[in-house]
Amino acid sequence: ETGVTQTPRHLVMGMTNKKSLKCEQHLGHNAMYWYKQSAKKPLELMFVYSLEERVENNSVPSRFSPECPNSSHLFLHLHTLQPEDSALYLCASSPQGVRYGYTFGSGTRLTVV
Amino acid sequence: AQSVTQLDSQVPVFEEAPVELRCNYSSSVSVYLFWYVQYPNQGLQLLLKYLSGSTLVKGINGFEAEFNKSQTSFHLRKPSVHISDTAEYFCAVSIMNRDDKIIFGKGTRLHILP
Repeated sequence: ETGVTQTPRHLVMGMTNKKSLKCEQHLGHNAMYWYKQSAKKPLELMFVYSLEERVENNSVPSRFSPECPNSSHLFLHLHTLQPEDSALYLCASSPQGVRYGYTFGSGTRLTVV
Repeated sequence: AQSVTQLDSQVPVFEEAPVELRCNYSSSVSVYLFWYVQYPNQGLQLLLKYLSGSTLVKGINGFEAEFNKSQTSFHLRKPSVHISDTAEYFCAVSIMNRDDKIIFGKGTRLHILP
């Protein structure tokens, strides 16, 4: 257990479904991140939240919608996804300042059918 | 902007042999450097990091890395690998003294051969 918990671990959804991924950390970190990890591609930073405010959105399609209600929780709401969105979605958190590195969760393996 | 290059996508090594995973970075300013490991079906775990000071950094599981500013490299080494080291290894960089994001390389898959 790394201190960052992601649920569910696996998710299969149809293209017309709506689902949400959840990330929770009780490490006292101030920043939280969503990454997408696809086979044979580098890690893609999707969203960054610092002190519960979104500070970066790397041109992610609107079918992905993040929510950060407090510094301990981060959600990724999914709707009308495409098969190419199938990937491992990783959540990470860090104290203020990257010198401490990121703490990652175990990820949610998403399959869109 | 900074970037990270991991030239080897896969490295096969016999068990108990030494290994070096190569990482080169590009940046016009001083950087922090990291190595992460990802075991199958898990997230990334921090192996070690270079912030400043001694250029030889020791991490968990017997790994170490050496920062070479002139060659802009941060290669990861282990003198004797085990089957349990089978994983993907990511080099990463971030700009020093800025609350900026960490940029990851594409990863190197380490295969341990019996």
